[in-house]
Amino acid sequence: GQQLNQSPQSMFIQEGEDVSMNCTSSSIFNTWLWYKQDPGEGPVLLIALYKAGELTSNGRLTAQFGITRKDSFLNISASIPSDVGIYFCAYSGAGSYQLTFGKGTKLSVIP
Amino acid sequence: ETGVTQSPTHLIKTRGQQVTLRCSSQSGHNTVSWYQQALGQGPQFIFQYYREEENGRGNFPPRFSGLQFPNYSSELNVNALELDDSALYLCASSTGTDSTEQYFGPGTRLTVT
Repeated sequence: GQQLNQSPQSMFIQEGEDVSMNCTSSSIFNTWLWYKQDPGEGPVLLIALYKAGELTSNGRLTAQFGITRKDSFLNISASIPSDVGIYFCAYSGAGSYQLTFGKGTKLSVIP
Repeated sequence: ETGVTQSPTHLIKTRGQQVTLRCSSQSGHNTVSWYQQALGQGPQFIFQYYREEENGRGNFPPRFSGLQFPNYSSELNVNALELDDSALYLCASSTGTDSTEQYFGPGTRLTVT
């Protein structure tokens, strides 16, 4: 599968700050997915994006499917301690049954 | 809480041994996918089972095999364990082959020494 480049690899922020992370690829995708993984747990789907330019929110989380279809962004507003975890982007190819994940962005929130 | 359970939680095996990992899907979910997550990496797709038959496989050798049973349980078997097989193994269940609707279990941490 195609490689996804996630950045940053890790970030430390103060509670209450906004967070932004992104995912890029050299290939065009039909679906972008954002997952969060807490320690000792499996990934949990946060947001799914299905078309270029789409902007979708889930509470304090907002994600966008880039116009070029080669990138996606995830923003978290007013971070809280429970936002700590690893955030993964993933793509699903057309008609595909498998997910391909990036390497993740590890988020730490300082109270 | 996704309703997907995995056992055991942790496992230590020796190189060359065989291992069986188990997953119990949500009731009604007829598709299960298995992923390998190495330390510091994202999950990598191993294979998917749909209605008890393999429906697709990632870049993993044949010594990785699986079974799916009618009672929504499934197994991942790995033969001739290698040190690089040390990882978190995740199963994910869904109601069909639409990969965006996958619900992950907590995983089994396998250590090969």
